Amino acid sequence: SQTIHQWPATLVQPVGSPLSLECTVEGTSNPNLYWYRQAAGRGLQLLFYSVGIGQISSEVPQNLSASRPQDRQFILSSKKLLLSDSGFYLCAWKMGQSRSTEAFFGQGTRLTVV
Amino acid sequence: KQEVTQIPAALSVPEGENLVLNCSFTDSAIYNLQWFRQDPGKGLTSLLLIQSSQREQTSGRLNASLDKSSGRSTLYIAASQPGDSATYLCAAGGSYIPTFGRGTSLIVHP
Repeated sequence: SQTIHQWPATLVQPVGSPLSLECTVEGTSNPNLYWYRQAAGRGLQLLFYSVGIGQISSEVPQNLSASRPQDRQFILSSKKLLLSDSGFYLCAWKMGQSRSTEAFFGQGTRLTVV
Repeated sequence: KQEVTQIPAALSVPEGENLVLNCSFTDSAIYNLQWFRQDPGKGLTSLLLIQSSQREQTSGRLNASLDKSSGRSTLYIAASQPGDSATYLCAAGGSYIPTFGRGTSLIVHP
């Protein structure tokens, strides 16, 4: 069976510090991978998605970046965090090669920038 | 651009009631419609997936319907229980990318 792992669960970082959040999927190959952010009282905002290694699409211009160094690994990064980067970050995956597959989510990372 | 709206934003009901949560989307050219549950501080748990060619899906006390032409989906919860308390989100599946509504926050009190 497939599983998705996301870490850390919580993170408190000072303004201006770097960020690295990691997500890995097990039990499948060539998944589509997604990073969403959920701010308090708001819906899920798609930040990045990837349909293959090295292929990253950005949905929202910001100081965040994403990378996919391996087939089942998706990393969200920032060189310098802003207060506005605080939020709940969720990684998700769908089986590739089809547009109509089910999406599965990790348990999320609560990021607080202080 | 796809926009998804969920009504009501919040709902508080006594245990045992049957509930209907609504989801509407602006672009009917979707591949699927997926319903999720989110507990406080947790990730999303998939409840039901309806393909664009289907009209409804059922899982236990949950039933979800889809009317693509009118841009609507409903999640029906039968005989609600306190354990159903959570936020329910729907996502309209575009080409590889799900677009989410803001969710309905449900409280079922004993």
